[in-house]
Amino acid sequence: DAKTTQPPSMDCAEGRAANLPCNHSTISGNEYVYWYRQIHSQGPQYIIHGLKNNETNEMASLIITEDRKSSTLILPHATLRDTAVYYCIVRVEPLGSARQLTFGSGTQLTVLP
Amino acid sequence: GAVVSQHPSWVICKSGTSVKIECRSLDFQATTMFWYRQFPKQSLMLMATSNEGSKATYEQGVEKDKFLINHASLTLSTLTVTSAHPEDSSFYICSARAMNTEAFFGQGTRLTVV
Repeated sequence: DAKTTQPPSMDCAEGRAANLPCNHSTISGNEYVYWYRQIHSQGPQYIIHGLKNNETNEMASLIITEDRKSSTLILPHATLRDTAVYYCIVRVEPLGSARQLTFGSGTQLTVLP
Repeated sequence: GAVVSQHPSWVICKSGTSVKIECRSLDFQATTMFWYRQFPKQSLMLMATSNEGSKATYEQGVEKDKFLINHASLTLSTLTVTSAHPEDSSFYICSARAMNTEAFFGQGTRLTVV
């Protein structure tokens, strides 16, 4: 799986959009970009994933650059409860695969009141 | 999303005793379950992968005789930490997935060995 690089920490004002970047310059054509988050002392929570196209769900939006070498997770209106470590993971074939997720160090997002 | 439940949420045990942690998929059948360990201020580290009805596959450096994993059914996997020592104190997290789904995580179990 391709390696990812994320900033170790970011702050965001409550109510504003939080934009979390992830670099994955060695990503292959069949690798997906996944985002999970982990609130303190809880298990990780799936947020969103995508291959090429931008994706949006009730939690967030995922913007993947045209060359797929980087992506941005957008939380449109951050709340205090969004304070967590956010993990960007790149892996092959999300469906029908029993392979584990490999977690990097992630980005600690702190939403400030 | 699907629900994965771990029990207990936290446990304190004496050094030398064994502790069992349960991981259940409540609303789906998990063909594969994963066990992770997380030390303070560190990321999750995979310990082992288990498929229902077969032996678990352990990551390098994880002692299979110390961390016993049983995946007897499609909804339950257990991790038993045998002869626990203070250095085994950690946050243990399970993950489960069915075919054609993303992974869902339990809430984690905080183990403290005193």
